[in-house]
Amino acid sequence: GENVEQHPSTLSVQEGDSAVIKCTYSDSASNYFPWYKQELGKRPQLIIDIRSNVGEKKDQRIAVTLNKTAKHFSLHITETQPEDSAVYFCAASSGNAGNMLTFGGGTRLMVKP
Amino acid sequence: DVKVTQSSRYLVKRTGEKVFLECVQDMDHENMFWYRQDPGLGLRLIYFSYDVKMKEKGDIPEGYSVSREKKERFSLILESASTNQTSMYLCASSLGTGRRETQYFGPGTRLLVL
Repeated sequence: GENVEQHPSTLSVQEGDSAVIKCTYSDSASNYFPWYKQELGKRPQLIIDIRSNVGEKKDQRIAVTLNKTAKHFSLHITETQPEDSAVYFCAASSGNAGNMLTFGGGTRLMVKP
Repeated sequence: DVKVTQSSRYLVKRTGEKVFLECVQDMDHENMFWYRQDPGLGLRLIYFSYDVKMKEKGDIPEGYSVSREKKERFSLILESASTNQTSMYLCASSLGTGRRETQYFGPGTRLLVL
């Protein structure tokens, strides 16, 4: 089955700096890669996703890049703000029945004011 | 707005007890999922269901079972709770197959097994 690894497990940045979180996956059939954000005490919520026919996607201060050959994808947050502090999860899916997602271990991002 | 609710936010049970965790979604979603969340391990899939009365094992099904008698409700059952099942349990649902993979999560149930 699919295996998703995520690094780093914790990341501390100064407000205004950029943050990068990286994930690798093992199943070359995976074609959908979402990122979820979980604020303290709250449920995970989708923030951005990318499909395997696209190399990069941006949404304001957030961008995701995908390298299918190397089987890795990354989340980039620019101009970080304290409200970006949360746990971020990457995931991968091959679109099988149920669109099952395999999640990475999570990254705790702390943005220091 | 999609709403996924879980029956309890916090639960304390004793070893050997049978535990029921319930999840309800109100958006007619086909797929429903049960995860457990542990620090450093991310979200690990226990079971999922893509239709009423259908269930599929996820990555860590041992010690758990599920039931989906109605489309909107997906129950997770711990037949005989053990201390290593102390965890946060998250339910999720998604619309269906194809390009409708976004999963919507419930608020979670923090289970403590003594």
